[in-house]
Amino acid sequence: SSELTQDPAVSVALGQTVRITCQGDSLRSYYASWYQQKPGQAPVLVIYGKNNRPSGIPDRFSGSSSGNTASLTITGAQAEDEADYYCNSRDSSGNHHVVFGGGTKLTVL
Amino acid sequence: QVQLVQSGAEVKKPGASVKVSCKASGYTFTSYDINWVRQATGQGLEWMGWMNPNSGNTGYAQKFQGRVTMTRNTSISTAYMELSSLRSEDTAVYYCARGVVATKHWYFDLWGRGTLVTVSS
Repeated sequence: SSELTQDPAVSVALGQTVRITCQGDSLRSYYASWYQQKPGQAPVLVIYGKNNRPSGIPDRFSGSSSGNTASLTITGAQAEDEADYYCNSRDSSGNHHVVFGGGTKLTVL
Repeated sequence: QVQLVQSGAEVKKPGASVKVSCKASGYTFTSYDINWVRQATGQGLEWMGWMNPNSGNTGYAQKFQGRVTMTRNTSISTAYMELSSLRSEDTAVYYCARGVVATKHWYFDLWGRGTLVTVSS
């Protein structure tokens, strides 16, 4: 089955731009989706498809992809963006399955 | 209001089974797959499988094959996930999530608040 790899932790200064990456073979065929999870809460979808934001997600969140790497960019990070971020995609092994990345803890300094 | 409401916390002994429910409201239950994702304390998200509420078709992650069963009752817009032969490593928060599947993607746009399942003797 496919695997998605994320950096365990990333930090960003308040108001600066940060990129969180997700690598995996499945990303050559399928889009990544991104989720924000704050402590004690369920995940929230922030980016899906090529670069789509669900209603209510600030436009400082954007997504991109190149080769086997998908990226979530936060332009002008806010204190409330401090959270865990997970990527997921369809599994490229031929099974009708899903794979998640291990998650990235974002700290806003 | 579009939401998924899950059943309450459970405490089970090793070897037992647990059945978690997920009631959908605010949308047509049979129009979207329901997926189950779990998260052990301090760990990442782990996908367990999917169920099509319209057909009842299911697909399970290999890790859970033989131990998990996903079902539904369309008359009350509720999905169920039953996990058997519980062990301590199954202690986690179990989420149901509405899945949107297309050729190039598979994402979860609506999540329940989670159900804590604790396995302890």
